[in-house]
Amino acid sequence: AQKITQTQPGMFVQEKEAVTLDCTYDTSDPSYGLFWYKQPSSGEMIFLIYQGSYDQQNATEGRYSLNFQKARKSANLVISASQLGDSAMYFCAMREGRGSTGTASKLTFGTGTRLQVTL
Amino acid sequence: KAGVTQTPRYLIKTRGQQVTLSCSPISGHRSVSWYQQTPGQGLQFLFEYFSETQRNKGNFPGRFSGRQFSNSRSEMNVSTLELGDSALYLCASSSATGSSGANVLTFGAGSRLTVL
Repeated sequence: AQKITQTQPGMFVQEKEAVTLDCTYDTSDPSYGLFWYKQPSSGEMIFLIYQGSYDQQNATEGRYSLNFQKARKSANLVISASQLGDSAMYFCAMREGRGSTGTASKLTFGTGTRLQVTL
Repeated sequence: KAGVTQTPRYLIKTRGQQVTLSCSPISGHRSVSWYQQTPGQGLQFLFEYFSETQRNKGNFPGRFSGRQFSNSRSEMNVSTLELGDSALYLCASSSATGSSGANVLTFGAGSRLTVL
């Protein structure tokens, strides 16, 4: 079963508008972490934001916020005031468990959403 | 602070050959992990190394192997290349201290392998 689901293969948003990228996840582990990464055409994955399963508040990082709805198992990324440079692939990822020293790196990724920001 | 450096950035090989990719992590990061990205399978975890030991392995055949050196630099090797091995291979490093928190992975720009 797919553990991370991103149902929007592509999205368009006008510059300066807000956009929400959807992500749902599936895990039976009560401890997990959710990540969003951005991948421009250059290929490098850029970390955007993190939400831990026990975090009480939704994570925010500048123009990025994570709408975390634990009961619905969703972790949607909200980008406010979109910029042309936001055009890229966006990946939601999950790490199950707290991880012990040296086992922090196994992420399960979704299939991604290609965001295109237009004038 | 230098980021994660991967070499080579691009390479072309033929079926049956072998390839070695290199990754230098961020200074102070002791965990290095590798991911394969293809259009068909997406991003898939290959393996993770910490203090020269493989700590975790994804579901890949034995042709895929790796190692980590005492300075945390890592290499991955793919032997007997197949057409399906054509992919972007991404390396990531983290501090992986095991404490609560994000333990964010910082990725390199990747090595794009084409197998002909």
